[in-house]
Amino acid sequence: ETGVTQTPRHLVMGMTNKKSLKCEQHLGHNAMYWYKQSAKKPLELMFVYSLEERVENNSVPSRFSPECPNSSHLFLHLHTLQPEDSALYLCASSQEARKTSYNEQFFGPGTRLTVL
Amino acid sequence: AQKVTQAQTEISVVEKEDVTLDCVYETRDTTYYLFWYKQPPSGELVFLIRRNSFDEQNEISGRYSWNFQKSTSSFNFTITASQVVDSAVYFCALSEASGYSTLTFGKGTMLLVSP
Repeated sequence: ETGVTQTPRHLVMGMTNKKSLKCEQHLGHNAMYWYKQSAKKPLELMFVYSLEERVENNSVPSRFSPECPNSSHLFLHLHTLQPEDSALYLCASSQEARKTSYNEQFFGPGTRLTVL
Repeated sequence: AQKVTQAQTEISVVEKEDVTLDCVYETRDTTYYLFWYKQPPSGELVFLIRRNSFDEQNEISGRYSWNFQKSTSSFNFTITASQVVDSAVYFCALSEASGYSTLTFGKGTMLLVSP
């Protein structure tokens, strides 16, 4: 596989469930990102990981818990979500996270999450 | 704080028409990067172009062209002779040069090209 992959592509969960989203990048990048795309709102950055260390947490509620076990994999663990958390969750990666010179972010296809 | 505004929510054109997607940005930094991404129905964001704040040259790539005007803080995107495959949501984004590579996106413009 090439590029950035995300699984599952679609997920329906109840508010009491616990689930995880998975992202994998095959580009040899050192930085990975989670974004949330809600209807009629701009894409919102959630988390940034650089070399498996979380470097930004954009005021995301604790019911979203990221995990980056290595530079190729990124997870988003979900628990006790609310219906307003229903959205498209996009993962991205880039060569580096620091902006010594800009590094393009490459996006996965996203996971469409519905919280009932 | 940085902000990106795409005032056009949705644009409908007929194939072969030219169409311009507007993007206006706000930033306090003197060094920054501007981007356009395309999001087809499949969902993933496809990178189209990056422009840094010191390079105001307009760029053309096939049917795509970009007009960067610092004086009006705009970075507009024109598709010439549009095709049905151009139908997608297009996002303009801004990244300031300090800190980590985080992108601030506009709300996107949905382009529908009909045959």
